[in-house]
Amino acid sequence: NAGVMQNPRHLVRRRGQEARLRCSPMKGHSHVYWYRQLPEEGLKFMVYLQKENIIDESGMPKERFSAEFPKEGPSILRIQQVVRGDSAAYFCASSPQRMLETQYFGPGTRLLVL
Amino acid sequence: GQQLNQSPQSMFIQEGEDVSMNCTSSSIFNTWLWYKQDPGEGPVLLIALYKAGELTSNGRLTAQFGITRKDSFLNISASIPSDVGIYFCAGQLPGNTPLVFGKGTRLSVIA
Repeated sequence: NAGVMQNPRHLVRRRGQEARLRCSPMKGHSHVYWYRQLPEEGLKFMVYLQKENIIDESGMPKERFSAEFPKEGPSILRIQQVVRGDSAAYFCASSPQRMLETQYFGPGTRLLVL
Repeated sequence: GQQLNQSPQSMFIQEGEDVSMNCTSSSIFNTWLWYKQDPGEGPVLLIALYKAGELTSNGRLTAQFGITRKDSFLNISASIPSDVGIYFCAGQLPGNTPLVFGKGTRLSVIA
């Protein structure tokens, strides 16, 4: 049973480009959570999605960031017009239902903005 | 936003020693979770706590949910080299709210 998959593992972008981060949840999981981790910091919640719905986006920056979890395919975190401050590790977690202890984390995507 | 104060920030210990780290907050939490993160990987859940005063063990790890619901500690007994990593506490405030993470305790074990 494969775990949460994230790709790419590393992503380099120049300022102003777009970054697309993908997350494939564990089989049978319909809840996906995105977190951002800055160097030397803990994880910060960004957004919680169920299939085709955004449930809680209270941690998402108001501009340039968007997330989706379509009926088919992976969840996507999209960052438009990236800036240097977007450089961070972005983690996705999935769960079969909304129970905190059953969140399984992926290995993360490390975004570097030049 | 809400903050969890996690201490110590880092620890260097000898193999075989016991380790203790804790998290505190000015807010009351309903749930406390402890995670370990290895370099280049995502966090892995170690222990989950749901009731004030609850004491839970997982092998050499023991964690407690403080009586006031504003703190939690994690103990690791007889440390081994593979205990090296970053340990995070995380909590959930009352209601259907997202997890709040501490800044982590970086553990180094000297063989």
